[in-house]
Amino acid sequence: DSGVTQTPKHLITATGQRVTLRCSPRSGDLSVYWYQQSLDQGLQFLIQYYNGEERAKGNILERFSAQQFPDLHSELNLSSLELGDSALYFCASSPGGDAEAFFGQGTRLTVV
Amino acid sequence: EDQVTQSPEALRLQEGESSSLNCSYTVSGLRGLFWYRQDPGKGPEFLFTLYSAGEEKEKERLKATLTKKESFLHITAPKPEDSATYLCAVQRGGGADGLTFGKGTHLIIQP
Repeated sequence: DSGVTQTPKHLITATGQRVTLRCSPRSGDLSVYWYQQSLDQGLQFLIQYYNGEERAKGNILERFSAQQFPDLHSELNLSSLELGDSALYFCASSPGGDAEAFFGQGTRLTVV
Repeated sequence: EDQVTQSPEALRLQEGESSSLNCSYTVSGLRGLFWYRQDPGKGPEFLFTLYSAGEEKEKERLKATLTKKESFLHITAPKPEDSATYLCAVQRGGGADGLTFGKGTHLIIQP
């Protein structure tokens, strides 16, 4: 158990809908990262937050957004969902931006 | 653009048969190179971080090494429980970026 908690574990929704994925980082970790894993693309970095502030952006679509709250948990919002958004979404946390990150068990999103 | 290429894509070994996995990388100012293990349907599990050429780290049957262009994950006398996908990732200097991952090597150890 990495100490990073993600909910829900599975999510099935229809195209055009909006969903929110939740992540609770390890105790004491200030950095939260979101990644998307699909069969063809592998693990892709989406976005990083550090102590409530956005710190780095990767390949995140404009339809996707994230935030980190004062208690350091984070949410990833995915809107206007398309079939191609079906993937595993992972959250990871680390004490700071330059330390190894520990991953949660992921949320499997299926868009039908 | 940072790039990470892992080879082979898949590897099947007999129990006890040692081998190496390769990770070639291109990154602007390497901050660290990371190895993770991922089991099906699970999140990646951290194994090692390497920071500079010549550095080596070991954990049980695994040993990771780093040069200026590539990293190797050596697996000595593997057991079936070592079967997993092994992922390599790089982080550029500054520490403010996420990791760039390779597509992984799917390792199967047969009893």
